[in-house]
Amino acid sequence: DTGVSQDPRHKITKRGQNVTFRCDPISEHNRLYWYRQTLGQGPEFLTYFQNEAQLEKSRLLSDRFSAERPKGSFSTLEIQRTEQGDSAMYLCASSPGQISEQYFGPGTRLTVT
Amino acid sequence: RKEVEQDPGPFNVPEGATVAFNCTYSNSASQSFFWYRQDCRKEPKLLMSVYSSGNEDGRFTAQLNRASQYISLLIRDSKLSDSATYLCVVMDSSYKLIFGSGTRLLVRP
Repeated sequence: DTGVSQDPRHKITKRGQNVTFRCDPISEHNRLYWYRQTLGQGPEFLTYFQNEAQLEKSRLLSDRFSAERPKGSFSTLEIQRTEQGDSAMYLCASSPGQISEQYFGPGTRLTVT
Repeated sequence: RKEVEQDPGPFNVPEGATVAFNCTYSNSASQSFFWYRQDCRKEPKLLMSVYSSGNEDGRFTAQLNRASQYISLLIRDSKLSDSATYLCVVMDSSYKLIFGSGTRLLVRP
């Protein structure tokens, strides 16, 4: 499968715990995006990378959130001290260029209890 | 006001019907436009890009009116498998996607 992959697909955690999600983009796609989606809403932008550089972060991304793309390939999104309001689907997308279509992975569904 | 607005529906139509979805966007500097389809509890999948000249892909036709900041999607001869949520998407000036909340389509036998 040469699409975007995400791991894990589901994560249940207790409030206050830290969680980390991984995204593997389509090979040779230099842009990687993270979005968050809650029920009944469209995905909302969180942050994006061009190669290893993080170019923009949304105001949604509080200081409990951090994202990396250390070698310009896979990316990780970490949430520290999770809160119930963090429960959502976390989607990763990649694209080969700035104005190109973005292709989404299957998402990681986070439930904070 | 949301940056991208869509009628949430649901649109409940019989098989074979023609259905149209509309969307408006607020940022006139928007770069590119797309329709994505999302099935329940799945990721969004690109349906088609939307060009100023209008474009067609089989039973699907998309139109863009930059002056009115309006995007549309027309589905002809609806199939049961078309049942999904259709997301209107705008790429802003920093190349990130801004999504509408989606329009839900239910195609009944």
